[in-house]
Amino acid sequence: DSGVTQTPKHLITATGQRVTLRCSPRSGDLSVYWYQQSLDQGLQFLIQYYNGEERAKGNILERFSAQQFPDLHSELNLSSLELGDSALYFCASSVAAYTEAFFGQGTRLTVV
Amino acid sequence: AQSVTQLGSHVSVSEGALVLLRCNYSSSVPPYLFWYVQYPNQGLQLLLKYTSAATLVKGINGFEAEFKKSETSFHLTKPSAHMSDAAEYFCAVRPGSGNTGKLIFGQGTTLQVKP
Repeated sequence: DSGVTQTPKHLITATGQRVTLRCSPRSGDLSVYWYQQSLDQGLQFLIQYYNGEERAKGNILERFSAQQFPDLHSELNLSSLELGDSALYFCASSVAAYTEAFFGQGTRLTVV
Repeated sequence: AQSVTQLGSHVSVSEGALVLLRCNYSSSVPPYLFWYVQYPNQGLQLLLKYTSAATLVKGINGFEAEFKKSETSFHLTKPSAHMSDAAEYFCAVRPGSGNTGKLIFGQGTTLQVKP
């Protein structure tokens, strides 16, 4: 157990819908990362927050957004969902902005 | 841009045999390199990391990796494979510049261990 908690573990939704994925970092970690894992794209970095502020951005679609709240948990919002958004979404956390990250078990999103 | 390439999407070894998973990186600055393992239906677990302190890095579960700058490689090895090592392995690089810990992952190598 890495100490990073992601909810829900599984999510099935229809195209065009909006979903929110939640991540609670390890106790004491200030940085949160979101990654997408799909069969065709592999593991892709989406976005990083550090202490509530965006620190780095990857190939995150405009339909996707994220935030980190004052209690340091983070949410990834995915809207206007398409079939191609079906993937495993991982959250990771680290103590500082650039130290090693610990991964949660992921949320498996299936868009039908 | 920094990147990693994992040679071989599938590697199959017999139990007790040497495990060698290959990773080559591309980086214009000294890189930070990592190996992660993903067991079925689980998240990624850090096996080991290279941060320039030593070229031979020892990790968990008997794995180690050697950083070779001349070959731009960071191959993962284990002397004797166990059935429990069957998993997917990812090599990753963290950009050496910029104050971020984001990781760029390779495509992954699935390790099969045969009895």
